[in-house]
Amino acid sequence: EVQLVESGGGLVQPGGSLRLSCAASGFTFSTYSMNWVRQAPGKGLEWVSYISSSTTIIYYADSVMGRFTISRDNAKNSVSLQMNSLRAEDTAVYYCARDRRLYSGSEDKYYYYMDVWGRGTTVTVSS
Amino acid sequence: DIQMTQSPSSLSASVGDRVTITCRASQSISRYLNWYQQKPGKAPKLLIYAASSLQSGVPSRFSGSGSGTDFTLTITSLQPEDFATYSCQQSYSTPYTFGPGAQLQIK
Repeated sequence: EVQLVESGGGLVQPGGSLRLSCAASGFTFSTYSMNWVRQAPGKGLEWVSYISSSTTIIYYADSVMGRFTISRDNAKNSVSLQMNSLRAEDTAVYYCARDRRLYSGSEDKYYYYMDVWGRGTTVTVSS
Repeated sequence: DIQMTQSPSSLSASVGDRVTITCRASQSISRYLNWYQQKPGKAPKLLIYAASSLQSGVPSRFSGSGSGTDFTLTITSLQPEDFATYSCQQSYSTPYTFGPGAQLQIK
């Protein structure tokens, strides 16, 4: 069964740090790019970060640039999100999601989407 | 950044109804548009990718259309398990952005 399981969430004070992990199973992890997406209480989804399969391409949302660091360990089938200088507005459920790309030969284009999601881990930033 | 808007933000419908949710991008995104379903306390679930391709395992009553800036998600013959929040997402460029969601409620 294809599965993603997040861990590492919790309560942290403003300015503190937390490291989230996502364990993958049921697929060849090293061949897939991965994303982190978050959802603040009662709000919509917000993409946070992307890492390519070989770690050569990394993207961040402006809201976390310089504070969050995404990484992966293909030998351990895991992706992580190191979160520093946490703020109240970082409070959210954090999901990891598998990035899928589909090549359309008729259009000579790749399409991208997130096809497998974990159940999420909750991060609360509060004093 | 590409802004995504959705309408309506909420709607009520009955089992068996046909409903349409609209998503609009602030600039042309070709067909780089995905739809997700989310139920309370659960992770999002991919329904439609590349504007109109049905994800494996998703019932055929779900369909997507559109290109450029305007897209629609249509659900024909609503089932009890379809009452949820539906969000669109553009994958044309980073930062990937989501619409605010459309909450589908039982009438």
